Amino acid sequence: GAVVSQHPSRVICKSGTSVKIECRSLDFQATTMFWYRQFPKKSLMLMATSNEGSKATYEQGVEKDKFLINHASLTLSTLTVTSAHPEDSSFYICSARTLTGGHEQYFGPGTRLTVT
Amino acid sequence: SQQGEEDPQALSIQEGENATMNCSYKTSINNLQWYRQNSGRGLVHLILIRSNEREKHSGRLRVTLDTSKKSSSLLITASRAADTASYFCATVNAGKSTFGDGTTLTVKP
Repeated sequence: GAVVSQHPSRVICKSGTSVKIECRSLDFQATTMFWYRQFPKKSLMLMATSNEGSKATYEQGVEKDKFLINHASLTLSTLTVTSAHPEDSSFYICSARTLTGGHEQYFGPGTRLTVT
Repeated sequence: SQQGEEDPQALSIQEGENATMNCSYKTSINNLQWYRQNSGRGLVHLILIRSNEREKHSGRLRVTLDTSKKSSSLLITASRAADTASYFCATVNAGKSTFGDGTTLTVKP
């Protein structure tokens, strides 16, 4: 149980285009999902907290107009990187917290974004 | 510096040996969690220890928490080559997790 999927696993896009990444909780409902960014050999940096039915909460320094988050249902959150640039190339990981569980987060397998 | 700092940054051991990783943090926490990440993959939750607990075991894993020193350790006993991965601690406060930079563990067969 507690499986989180991400799609796509890898994406290459041209500079200036937008890319949407999906995060789904497959066998549980999640009112809260988190989006992280990870640079090579570095830790996860929390970008935003995605709340079902309401606006996402962004961390300081994260541009909300560039990284659009939509948590339309209890099992799906999407992150759209708008007008992508090469510096947006990174590994993006989502996680979901169960409704009933304590504080465990279940992580998706990540999406490798490369902007050329 | 960052909440949840792991030490050492890299650790290389022989199969069968024990591996110990440490994590220090700065602010108060609700709980602390350890995760494992294989290269280029998502994180796998290993163990959660609450702020009122001092030690927890799960299989070959043993985690300790010392809130007075704001530190935690992860011990992997009888390591295997398959344990090769990066290990992160994450402190949880008010529902938000903050990750350290991780320890890269290499277990040589």
